[in-house]
Amino acid sequence: AQSVTQLDSHVSVSEGTPVLLRCNYSSSYSPSLFWYVQHPNKGLQLLLKYTSAATLVKGINGFEAEFKKSETSFHLTKPSAHMSDAAEYFCVVSGFTGGGNKLTFGTGTQLKVEL
Amino acid sequence: NAGVMQNPRHLVRRRGQEARLRCSPMKGHSHVYWYRQLPEEGLKFMVYLQKENIIDESGMPKERFSAEFPKEGPSILRIQQVVRGDSAAYFCASSPPTRPISGNTIYFGEGSWLTVV
Repeated sequence: AQSVTQLDSHVSVSEGTPVLLRCNYSSSYSPSLFWYVQHPNKGLQLLLKYTSAATLVKGINGFEAEFKKSETSFHLTKPSAHMSDAAEYFCVVSGFTGGGNKLTFGTGTQLKVEL
Repeated sequence: NAGVMQNPRHLVRRRGQEARLRCSPMKGHSHVYWYRQLPEEGLKFMVYLQKENIIDESGMPKERFSAEFPKEGPSILRIQQVVRGDSAAYFCASSPPTRPISGNTIYFGEGSWLTVV
């Protein structure tokens, strides 16, 4: 069984300050982990993914995440927030199901960016 | 290359009616997944299909819900006799058939918002 826990349901930052969205995972094997972003009433866009290569993963729009096996964490960071980053962010772990991917989503973190 | 296409984007149904949601995967993708997002919640896996086969339907409600992915045409998620609790966003996703598969990116459509009145 696999699961992800997003530690904060809401995060508020000022524009230009760093962003940290926390995620812990649980998996019985070496996981694949993803971060997706969802803007209001929109679909999901992949920000980045970890698949057992480099532990520091760089994604789109300046986001990156570091896989830390010892802490079972996959926190998402960005050095400087922009107003357009305001959205809901989902940490996701992937598992096998009959040859396909079964994604387990966290409950999401709503990021608010203030002037 | 068009992305995952879902239609309708918004659907309103009265209680007891049927809802049909369609999903065309990305070109070359033979794996289709359906997820449901209830208000204020994350996405929950419903079903995983390959062409003409249901591979994993462990997330599907036991009654009223069904899914198919025929040899030709889009995947269909069908909800019979809808109730207010079915109001949600339904997302379709697709991925390619290559292995190893655990790291394959899954591409999501923009969702279909079902409102039951």
